[in-house]
Amino acid sequence: DAGVIQSPRHEVTEMGQEVTLRCKPISGHNSLFWYRQTMMRGLELLIYFNNNVPIDDSGMPEDRFSAKMPNASFSTLKIQPSEPRDSAVYFCASSEDRGNTEAFFGQGTRLTVV
Amino acid sequence: RKEVEQDPGPFNVPEGATVAFNCTYSNSASQSFFWYRQDCRKEPKLLMSVYSSGNEDGRFTAQLNRASQYISLLIRDSKLSDSATYLCVVNKANAGGTSYGKLTFGQGTILTVHP
Repeated sequence: DAGVIQSPRHEVTEMGQEVTLRCKPISGHNSLFWYRQTMMRGLELLIYFNNNVPIDDSGMPEDRFSAKMPNASFSTLKIQPSEPRDSAVYFCASSEDRGNTEAFFGQGTRLTVV
Repeated sequence: RKEVEQDPGPFNVPEGATVAFNCTYSNSASQSFFWYRQDCRKEPKLLMSVYSSGNEDGRFTAQLNRASQYISLLIRDSKLSDSATYLCVVNKANAGGTSYGKLTFGQGTILTVHP
């Protein structure tokens, strides 16, 4: 398997623009996570899905952020409108939904909002 | 209080040294525990799971104290290649016990091993 695939790897956008980050989880994994990492706050869980259903979105910063998982092999994280403070590395991870199982991370999307 | 707390370091140690990292977690319902490693500008990767009885993987030893809600990682005979950020991670089932999803990460402890 190719692992968790994220796109794009880098994104530079202007404030106010819409940004869409994409993720393809590992086949057969039924949990998917979106994390954001910054120097100040570390790794923060934004939202996680189980069997394509959002289970916990309490980490989503505000209404500008939305996430979807239309099927088991694809998820998006959208920011609209983007702001400079959204600049961070966004990671997608997937795992099998059972105890004591590891999460596999994608390589991340480095987002810069100017 | 953060759900998972770690000493951020940085720890600067010479090759061959033994170094220990500590982590505390606040949610007593946490069920699974891990140490992840993250290299600079890379994604986190699993280093090892942490079992109740303690476990060892080569130079790495992990321990769990459920009563104190405390996790540790010991690295013996440090190598230059051990330089990275080490992340303490906890996981618990949801209220219905139907999903083990929510992995919560600590801030990470930065380790630099120098010649």
